[in-house]
Amino acid sequence: GQSLEQPSEVTAVEGAIVQINCTYQTSGFYGLSWYQQHDGGAPTFLSYNALDGLEETGRFSSFLSRSDSYGYLLLQELQMKDSASYFCASYTGGFKTIFGAGTRLFVKA
Amino acid sequence: SQTIHQWPATLVQPVGSPLSLECTVEGTSNPNLYWYRQAAGRGLQLLFYSVGIGQISSEVPQNLSASRPQDRQFILSSKKLLLSDSGFYLCAQSRSSGYNEQFFGPGTRLTVL
Repeated sequence: GQSLEQPSEVTAVEGAIVQINCTYQTSGFYGLSWYQQHDGGAPTFLSYNALDGLEETGRFSSFLSRSDSYGYLLLQELQMKDSASYFCASYTGGFKTIFGAGTRLFVKA
Repeated sequence: SQTIHQWPATLVQPVGSPLSLECTVEGTSNPNLYWYRQAAGRGLQLLFYSVGIGQISSEVPQNLSASRPQDRQFILSSKKLLLSDSGFYLCAQSRSSGYNEQFFGPGTRLTVL
C-alpha cells in the first residue's frame, strides 16, 4: 500500500521552534513535498526535497532521509499566522502525488 | 504566473441530483490537471488526473467522472450524488515536466443533503 504517517496535532508557543515528522511508504518515490493549508483555504506549496538533506526557505526548513523513508518540516520563530494544517506528500512519479492526512499546528501566545 | 479558477465556491445539492464542477487554468499551457476531494479535517484524496485533452486517469472507482474538453479546462461530474460525496473539492495543476509541485484552486465546498 501507499501511506504517509504524520502526527495529527502539534501545539507550540509563539516564537518557538516546531518539527513535524513524516514517514512514508510508497511504491515509487521521487521526492517529498510539504504544503500548508489554513482553515477554509486551499493548500499552498512550501518545499520539495528530492535529495537527502536539509532545504531552507526563510523560517521554514525541510529535511529528507531516503534511507529512513523519513522527512520533517521545521518551523522557526513561530508566529500566530503559522497556525494551520501541514501536509507531507510523496511524489511517486507518473504525475501523481500522495498526501498524508495532515498535521494540525496550534500556535499559542 | 498561473491562476486556477473554480466555481461555484459553495454548493448544496440533494441526494440523487447531478453535479458539475468546473476548473479553468490561466497563465500556463499543457498543464497536468488534478481533482482532489478533502473530507472535513482529513487529507487530500486524488480522484482524477489528466495530462492532456481527453486524457483522464481515475484513481478511485466511484460515481464521479471527469472530462477535459480543452487544454485548460477540467470538469468533475456526477449523474447522481450520494451523501458520501460531500466534501471540499480542489482542482490543482502542475507543470507538464519536472517534479510534481502542485498549485491549487480555491476549491468548491459541496454539501449533499
